[in-house]
Amino acid sequence: EVQLVESGGGLVQPGGSLRLSCAASGFTFSTYAMNWVRQAPGKGLECVSYISSSSTTIYYADSVEGRFTISRDNAKNSLYLQMNSLRAEDTAVYYCARKSHGNYHFDYWGQGTLVTVSS
Amino acid sequence: DIQMTQSPSTLSASVGDRVTITCRASQSISSWLAWYQQKPGKAPKLLIYDASSLESGVPSRFSGSGSGTEFTLTISSLQPDDFATYYCQQYNTYWTFGQGTKVEIK
Repeated sequence: EVQLVESGGGLVQPGGSLRLSCAASGFTFSTYAMNWVRQAPGKGLECVSYISSSSTTIYYADSVEGRFTISRDNAKNSLYLQMNSLRAEDTAVYYCARKSHGNYHFDYWGQGTLVTVSS
Repeated sequence: DIQMTQSPSTLSASVGDRVTITCRASQSISSWLAWYQQKPGKAPKLLIYDASSLESGVPSRFSGSGSGTEFTLTISSLQPDDFATYYCQQYNTYWTFGQGTKVEIK
């Protein structure tokens, strides 16, 4: 069974940093590209970052470019999102999502971790 | 950036109703469109990909159609478990989601 479990969320002050993790199991993690998608309270979905299976291709939404860094450790079946210079508008539930093989939609999602940026 | 616009934003319906949600892209995305269902406090769940392909395990009452800039998600006979928010997503150029359509009980 495919499982994606996020962790690392919490309350952080504006300008602070946080590192999210996503632990993957039930599939060959090293062969799948992965994404981080966020959802502000009561709002819609935004894809903030993408990383290919071998980390050779990376994408960031304009809203986080230069502040967030996506990475992965295939030996540990883990995906990460380093978030720096956090702003109030970064407050959201952050989901990791698996990109489907041979296509570009997201076929599995984690349960999400809440990041709250507030003083 | 490709913008995705869903209509309506909210839809009130009864069990057994046929429900249609529309998603429009700001430019042609061929058939690179997915539909997701999200329930409160839960992660989105993939329903349809490539505009009309049903994800494994998804009930056949869900169907998708369209290409280019206009797409629809249809639920042929609404069931109690289907009251949720539905999002379209384009993956022609990076990824963009629609703003969501909430299907509520009439």
